[in-house]
Formats: sequence, structure tokens, C-alpha cells
Amino acid sequence: DIVMTQSPDSLAVSLGERATINCKSSQSVLYSSNNKNYLAWYQQKPGQPPKLLIYWASTREPGVPDRFRGSGSGTDFTLTIGSVQAEDVAVYYCQQYYSVPYAFGQGTNLEIK
Amino acid sequence: QVQLVESGGGLVKPGGSLTLSCAASGFTLSDYYMGWVRQAPGKGLEWISHITGSRQTRFYAGSVKGRFTISRDNARNSLYLQMDSLRVEDTAVYYCARVVVGATGVFDCWGQGTLVTVSS
Repeated sequence: DIVMTQSPDSLAVSLGERATINCKSSQSVLYSSNNKNYLAWYQQKPGQPPKLLIYWASTREPGVPDRFRGSGSGTDFTLTIGSVQAEDVAVYYCQQYYSVPYAFGQGTNLEIK
Repeated sequence: QVQLVESGGGLVKPGGSLTLSCAASGFTLSDYYMGWVRQAPGKGLEWISHITGSRQTRFYAGSVKGRFTISRDNARNSLYLQMDSLRVEDTAVYYCARVVVGATGVFDCWGQGTLVTVSS
């Protein structure tokens, strides 16, 4: 089974500053036949279900602000929030969908400093 | 608008059974794969199952395989999760979620969740 590990567990950023969340998979989630990374990012605010932000490692879901950017390939991925807003306070999860069982990272809690 | 509404959660004793339902609206259920993801209190997300469209092929996490059964009724726009032999560690909020077309395993629409508590 693929294990997803995020870092850091918690992150405090000032409003308007950049936030960077890392995600590492225990094996590559890059499918060579289509050159796609099977990696998604979700945002979960308190008391709410998760919200899909990004899939294929860098494709933003429609309606997601462009300050959210996904990057990386193979086993190492990054979610960057370009200029953190108050409404971005949430837990962020990466997820691999390369193979069953699909696995999520443990989550990164983003707070405002 | 697209909406998923779960129901059927509650308190059940270890070893008991429960069936969760998910009512879909705003889209044609048969066009989508669907799944269930759970979240134990204060913990992270765990994918537990998904089901394909017309062929209804089922996939399960090891933690629930043999105990949980996912099913769908496209005519009723509903998804189900039959949970048997429940354990204390199955206590969680259970989310019904829609799979992105062409990206099996990615969930683009989620219900609000239903809480299942397994306790004696």
C-alpha cells in the first residue's frame, strides 16, 4: 500500500504571505503510460466536508482561486498558497489515487500568525 | 445544484449492523462512480470504498473488506453502505462522495456526513 506523508503537521503564516505544504508518497504515483501524477489536494474547514482543490498534481478544480498551486512529480509534491487569506484557515490533505487503497496524508493544519 | 445527503448514522453496539444511505440530486447518478470516505473524531480522512458506474465493480479498504458492502440504485439516485460486524474503531463521520469523471479516486462533491458511533 502507498503511504502518504505530509509536512509540516501544522503551519502558521501571516496574512498575505506564502504557505507551502509538502507531501511525499512511499512510491511513485506517476503513471508512465500517460505521464500523469495521481495526486490530489483537499481543503477541510472546521465542521465541513473536504473540498477538492487540485488533482493530477496541478490541475485546479473550477472555482478554486489561482493562489492555490500544486506542483511536483513522482513521489514529492507541494501545495503552495501564494498569498494566504483569512478564509484559507483549514486542514489540507494530499491523496494518492494511483492504486487502491487510495490513501490520504495525515493533514496539515494551516493557521494565521 | 449538485447535492449529496447522507442518512442512517447513529449509535450501534459492537458486532451490530447499520446501513447508510446517500441521496444524490442535481446530477445523474449513473454517470458517475461513487464512494465513501470516513473520518474518525479528530482524525484524518480514510477512503473506504468506491463503486463504478454501470458494471458496479466494488473496491474496499482492507480495514472494512468482508464487513462492509457498497451498493447503488441508479433509478433511485441513491448510494448505500451496508456495515456489518461493526467495531469500536469504525466510529467516524461517513461521507458520501462523487468521483471525478476520468479521475477515479478523486472526489469532487461531498455530502455533509453522517456520524456512526460504535460503543457498548
